[in-house]
Amino acid sequence: KNEVEQSPQNLTAQEGEFITINCSYSVGISALHWLQQHPGGGIVSLFMLSSGKKKHGRLIATINIQEKHSSLHITASHPRDSAVYICALTQGGSEKLVFGKGTKLTVNP
Amino acid sequence: KAGVTQTPRYLIKTRGQQVTLSCSPISGHRSVSWYQQTPGQGLQFLFEYFSETQRNKGNFPGRFSGRQFSNSRSEMNVSTLELGDSALYLCASSKSGYEQYFGPGTRLTVT
Repeated sequence: KNEVEQSPQNLTAQEGEFITINCSYSVGISALHWLQQHPGGGIVSLFMLSSGKKKHGRLIATINIQEKHSSLHITASHPRDSAVYICALTQGGSEKLVFGKGTKLTVNP
Repeated sequence: KAGVTQTPRYLIKTRGQQVTLSCSPISGHRSVSWYQQTPGQGLQFLFEYFSETQRNKGNFPGRFSGRQFSNSRSEMNVSTLELGDSALYLCASSKSGYEQYFGPGTRLTVT
């Protein structure tokens, strides 16, 4: 069983819709990371969180440590949000990222 | 502030050859990690370096090696290349315990 499980694997939305991507994990963590990867390969770190909630523009990330669950929300989605969103975790004092399999998001105009 | 740079960006090698990939972290970042991404296996951890010391190694054969220099630049080497080593190799740098910044990757094709 993977240590990091994401759902859904694929998500298609219409522009303007509210989007939620979920991530569950089964191990102790020091932090949970949400990453974005566009076609072409570049990966951008969106959030790193160990408790509570963070917000950047239209993106919101939450984490529930007790339930070992995190969600990434996108409000008022836009076609430029189309990308693969990856949940990853770090443990202890290590920078090693353990990745989920990613969620491919397509936002249609 | 310049981002993480990786060279070369693209590389084509034949089976049996060896390859060296380079990663220059963001100035002030002493932690560098390497990852391999393939369509079949997704993203997998290769190495983690901090202040020239390898702190962690992923589950890869001994053909994969790496090092970090005193200026925090890092290299990874793959010897005796196999077709299955074709992948996007990504490095990421960070101040230890903070978010990681990824380079654009080196796309290696082994023929």
